[in-house]
Amino acid sequence: SQQGEEDPQALSIQEGENATMNCSYKTSINNLQWYRQNSGRGLVHLILIRSNEREKHSGRLRVTLDTSKKSSSLLITASRAADTASYFCATDADSNSGYALNFGKGTSLLVTP
Amino acid sequence: DGGITQSPKYLFRKEGQNVTLSCEQNLNHDAMYWYRQDPGQGLRLIYYSQIVNDFQKGDIAEGYSVSREKKESFPLTVTSAQKNPTAFYLCASSAGLAGYEQYFGPGTRLTVT
Repeated sequence: SQQGEEDPQALSIQEGENATMNCSYKTSINNLQWYRQNSGRGLVHLILIRSNEREKHSGRLRVTLDTSKKSSSLLITASRAADTASYFCATDADSNSGYALNFGKGTSLLVTP
Repeated sequence: DGGITQSPKYLFRKEGQNVTLSCEQNLNHDAMYWYRQDPGQGLRLIYYSQIVNDFQKGDIAEGYSVSREKKESFPLTVTSAQKNPTAFYLCASSAGLAGYEQYFGPGTRLTVT
């Protein structure tokens, strides 16, 4: 089951601008993760944020988590053309299949030079 | 793509044939997963395995089978019972189930005609 929903579905910006993607989810979570996928490739893990954390940084990436609103955001600062990819949030929570990491449908980011 | 390999990258089969997708990891991870990704969609969990000789159905297990005879290997068989098998298949592994990042292979694109 897909619990996470990213917004917007697609985002187009110019190099140097910041990109913000949002993720909303429905049930309580233990952790939320963000992944990146280049076209036709596997996913690459970016950041894991635990439910008791509010903000986390990794290089040009900043992730926030608001458990009261059941939402998270991923900010990429000073974007580069190489940041062009799809970005997925994933939450870990029990599903009707037992444990599962539930992925959203992703935000497609295009960064133009 | 870390220490996970998937082969082949592209696979073509005729309808009615079973096909096995390979997934091998050298990360010494206990947990392994199979996901299916359709165009413009997120990942949907097919099967996962927490430990050797044990595996659990995910959200869309019908028409698929797996085995976990070795820690390093988690092959997926797409059977003729799978009604719409054409998709991009991704294998992943993690050190444990809950609270761990997943490492993904490069994926296998299966086309059934």
